[in-house]
Amino acid sequence: TQLLEQSPQFLSIQEGENLTVYCNSSSVFSSLQWYRQEPGEGPVLLVTVVTGGEVKKLKRLTFQFGDARKDSSLHITAAQTGDTGLYLCAGIYGGATNKLIFGTGTLLAVQP
Amino acid sequence: EAGVVQSPRYKIIEKKQPVAFWCNPISGHNTLYWYLQNLGQGPELLIRYENEEAVDDSQLPKDRFSAERLKGVDSTLKIQPAELGDSAVYLCASSLDSYTGELFFGEGSRLTVL
Repeated sequence: TQLLEQSPQFLSIQEGENLTVYCNSSSVFSSLQWYRQEPGEGPVLLVTVVTGGEVKKLKRLTFQFGDARKDSSLHITAAQTGDTGLYLCAGIYGGATNKLIFGTGTLLAVQP
Repeated sequence: EAGVVQSPRYKIIEKKQPVAFWCNPISGHNTLYWYLQNLGQGPELLIRYENEEAVDDSQLPKDRFSAERLKGVDSTLKIQPAELGDSAVYLCASSLDSYTGELFFGEGSRLTVL
């Protein structure tokens, strides 16, 4: 069974601080996505990374895909209260039928 | 363009009662997913449809859960009878097809079983 472990599980920080969320698996992904989910809403896609070693930036968010395509990280610079939410990585495993597996989730609370 | 629409948003029932959730995906999206999400955790796939065909239902507890996607558009997820442990948010998502990978989610249906 494929498993995507995220760490930390919960993170509470002050506005302006930096943070990094990790997503790890023992399996190789064909691609990996990051979603953010706010309370009472469904997850919303932030980014998709496809190539090993790829780095993508979305304003203050930096996403990195591991060289071996087994892990990924999300770095937020100068966090804002609007960044509060549940961050989910989701790995797509190729093969006969593409399958998308969500990670365990990281709940981020940014305090003013 | 309308997003994925789910109903009801909230449902409270007593254990052993039946419950049904409805999902209308984004127009033109061939793939439809039902996920179960517990508080603060990642969604877990229950079933995935390609048009009207269920192509992945390995995680669906078939003794009490059932789903259908008539005509390859709307879908219904049913639980009968509900158990206390079924309390969760049931998310519906759709995508153009399984290979694009980008999922669009509805707001979810929160089920509380008393």
